[in-house]
Amino acid sequence: QVQLVESGGGLVKPGGSLRLSCAASGFTFSDYYMSWIRQAPGKGLEWVSYISSSGSTIYYADSVKGRFTISRDNAKNSLYLQMNSLRAEDTAVYYCAREAGVYSYPDYWGQGTLVTVSS
Amino acid sequence: DIQMTQSPSSLSASVGDRVTITCQASQDISNYLNWYQQKPGKAPKLLIYDASNLETGVPSRFSGSGSGTDFTFTISSLQPEDIATYYCQQYDNLLPYTFGQGTKLEIK
Repeated sequence: QVQLVESGGGLVKPGGSLRLSCAASGFTFSDYYMSWIRQAPGKGLEWVSYISSSGSTIYYADSVKGRFTISRDNAKNSLYLQMNSLRAEDTAVYYCAREAGVYSYPDYWGQGTLVTVSS
Repeated sequence: DIQMTQSPSSLSASVGDRVTITCQASQDISNYLNWYQQKPGKAPKLLIYDASNLETGVPSRFSGSGSGTDFTFTISSLQPEDIATYYCQQYDNLLPYTFGQGTKLEIK
């Protein structure tokens, strides 16, 4: 079965950095586009970033453009999100999600990892 | 970006009730509309894709309809395990795909 397991969250000071990882299993990772989606405490869902199966096509939400970098290692079945210049408003649970197809929608989600940006 | 307006924001109903949630898009999105269920402390789960298609393994009491700008999600007979927050999501205009603000469903 499809499994997505995020790690790397934690408490970081404003302006700091953090790298999230997502380990995928149960499907051919290199065949699928992937996304990061976040949810601030008590709030709704916000798409953050998207990467094609090969890693050649990448998109970011305007709110994180220039600060976050998505990447993947298909040999390791892993997805990453490098987050720099973190702000209080980046505080959220970050979910790794598999995309159902090209430019489609997330069909499987991980359990999420909490990022807290606070001094 | 396409805005998704979901209503109501919260809903209280009894076991066995028929429950309906609506979602309106700020522009025509054809049928590129999905519904997710999120239980407390859990990840969202896809229930309905492309407005009306039931994801594999999802109980048939869940259904969706609509096209263009107006969509409806229905639970035909509410069960205690259906307590959750439900989100609509559009993916019509490439990225960003956007979500409704959610409907929190509680048992009366």
